[in-house]
Amino acid sequence: EDKVVQSPLSLVVHEGDTVTLNCSYEVTNFRSLLWYKQEKKAPTFLFMLTSSGIEKKSGRLSSILDKKELFSILNITATQTGDSAVYLCAVSRGGATNKLIFGTGTLLAVQP
Amino acid sequence: GAGVSQSPRYKVAKRGQDVALRCDPISGHVSLFWYQQALGQGPEFLTYFQNEAQLDKSGLPSDRFFAERPEGSVSTLKIQRTQQEDSAVYLCASSSGGSGEKLFFGSGTQLSVL
Repeated sequence: EDKVVQSPLSLVVHEGDTVTLNCSYEVTNFRSLLWYKQEKKAPTFLFMLTSSGIEKKSGRLSSILDKKELFSILNITATQTGDSAVYLCAVSRGGATNKLIFGTGTLLAVQP
Repeated sequence: GAGVSQSPRYKVAKRGQDVALRCDPISGHVSLFWYQQALGQGPEFLTYFQNEAQLDKSGLPSDRFFAERPEGSVSTLKIQRTQQEDSAVYLCASSSGGSGEKLFFGSGTQLSVL
């Protein structure tokens, strides 16, 4: 059965800290791995990763994929209170299906 | 529209009632998805439309759940004879291409069945 596992489930840090969020997966016919940020209700897209070893960056956020070990990490440097959210990892499969398989998310709380 | 719009934002239903949840995707987006998110969990796929065609409904939990997108734009998710286990946030998402990857999500409808 396809699964996506995120760790930790929750994390509390102080402003300025650096955090690393983890995502491991087991899916058949892997196509891509995606990270979303969910504040309140609507998840917003952060990154899509398809190739191993190529880091994607956007400001203080970065992510990398390891297709051999079947995991990805999301790094946030110099955290701010506005980074507080649930971070969702999802995997898409090739073939006819277009659905995403999500993990349960990591709840990040950044304290001032 | 500027983003994916869902209505109502909140819905309280008595067990056994029928409900209808509406999704207005980003104009021109071909693909539309419905996901169900229980408290403390990640979203779970329900169904997928490409234009007006429902190409995948494998995630619908029972035959009480029905979705349509008759003109390839607005979509409605209908739940008949609601049960307490249907309580969740129902998220709609759209994307411009056939891929279900870079999705734009709406703010969801929070359904509470009493």
